[in-house]
Amino acid sequence: EVQLVESGGGLVQPGGSLRLSCAASGFTFSNYWMHWVRQAPGKGLVWVSLIRTDGAVTTYADSVKGRFTISRDNAKNTLYLQMNSLRAEDTAVYHCVRDVGKNMDVWGKGTTVTVSS
Amino acid sequence: QSALTQPRSVSGSPGQSVTVSCTGTSSDVGGYNHVSWYQQYPGKAPKLMISDVSKRPSGVPDRFSGSKSGNTASLTISGLQAEDEADYYCCSYAGTYTWVFGGGTKLTVL
Repeated sequence: EVQLVESGGGLVQPGGSLRLSCAASGFTFSNYWMHWVRQAPGKGLVWVSLIRTDGAVTTYADSVKGRFTISRDNAKNTLYLQMNSLRAEDTAVYHCVRDVGKNMDVWGKGTTVTVSS
Repeated sequence: QSALTQPRSVSGSPGQSVTVSCTGTSSDVGGYNHVSWYQQYPGKAPKLMISDVSKRPSGVPDRFSGSKSGNTASLTISGLQAEDEADYYCCSYAGTYTWVFGGGTKLTVL
């Protein structure tokens, strides 16, 4: 079964850091681009970041550029999102998502990040 | 990276058809055929319903269809069923490995 399972969310103070992980299984992880997409409470989906298969290309939404870093370990079938200088507006459920042909076909259930003092 | 524009809500009775619009620009919806649609139930992960404007993934009922004209994409659900009541999001590739979502549309089945 194709599966993505996120972890690492939690409560963090403004200005703090958090590292999210996403464990992939049921498919050849190294063959796929991967995204992070977030959803603030009661709000819509927002694309956050993409990483290509070998990690050579990474892109970010303007709202997180310079603060978040996406990476992957293909040997461990794991996607990461390092989040620094966190703000209240980063509070959201963060989903790990598989890309196929520039569409998002498999979604994890998400991990919740709350930024609050 | 401005969000695509969707109506906040649409509604229809069982058996009817409803269409959800998604308006962007020539830099996203109008410029690429990588428009996708996602269904999301409360508290659940989104599910891909339509890819590349009009392609239906395996397992998605053929009641769901997608199209595009210029800078506006549309999702049509025919033969509306109670289980279709959910939030629907469009998403478009926007070039240079970036994507943009719509604000979401709440579908109510009356």
